[in-house]
Amino acid sequence: EAGVAQSPRYKIIEKRQSVAFWCNPISGHATLYWYQQILGQGPKLLIQFQNNGVVDDSQLPKDRFSAERLKGVDSTLKIQPAKLEDSAVYLCASSLLREGLSGYTFGSGTRLTVV
Amino acid sequence: ELKVEQNPLFLSMQEGKNYTIYCNYSTTSDRLYWYRQDPGKSLESLFVLLSNGAVKQEGRLMASLDTKARLSTLHITAAVHDLSATYFCAVAFNDMRFGAGTRLTVKP
Repeated sequence: EAGVAQSPRYKIIEKRQSVAFWCNPISGHATLYWYQQILGQGPKLLIQFQNNGVVDDSQLPKDRFSAERLKGVDSTLKIQPAKLEDSAVYLCASSLLREGLSGYTFGSGTRLTVV
Repeated sequence: ELKVEQNPLFLSMQEGKNYTIYCNYSTTSDRLYWYRQDPGKSLESLFVLLSNGAVKQEGRLMASLDTKARLSTLHITAAVHDLSATYFCAVAFNDMRFGAGTRLTVKP
């Protein structure tokens, strides 16, 4: 089966600019997650979708981050305006079940550098 | 608040040796995951542990879960260079919380 697709792979922007990331989960996976992984740390959940509804966005900095999952398939994560501390890898993951009993499948990630 | 602690954070070992990575967590959970991450790559699922006493093995890696002690271990047997990577445990709570990772280097 095809994996979780993410684009772009790399992005360099200046602080205060905007950026958007795209994710296409595995076909049939109802649950989609966006994680932020800062260099040297474990991934941190930003937002979780079940189909096209938000399940958990408690750790999403809503003053600058937004995410949507239209039609319960693809998802986009946007940062506006970006700060230096947003430099990280943004990982998208999907799972068949909300409870993740089958584990999560991660995409290759988007490496964001804010200068 | 759920906390997930791994130790050691850095591990350098010789080929052929055995070692164990520990993952402690602070809140009751019956689901624990182990992932591997190579430099510049995404996370690869290694094990999903779903119950107390669960033990899973794949090649030179064996993972176990003790939900009463809130502890999972990842045991490496007769390490080889190809196992060099960062290993993360993650605990399912309301969401999946990751440890900081153990950066393993296996030297010849």
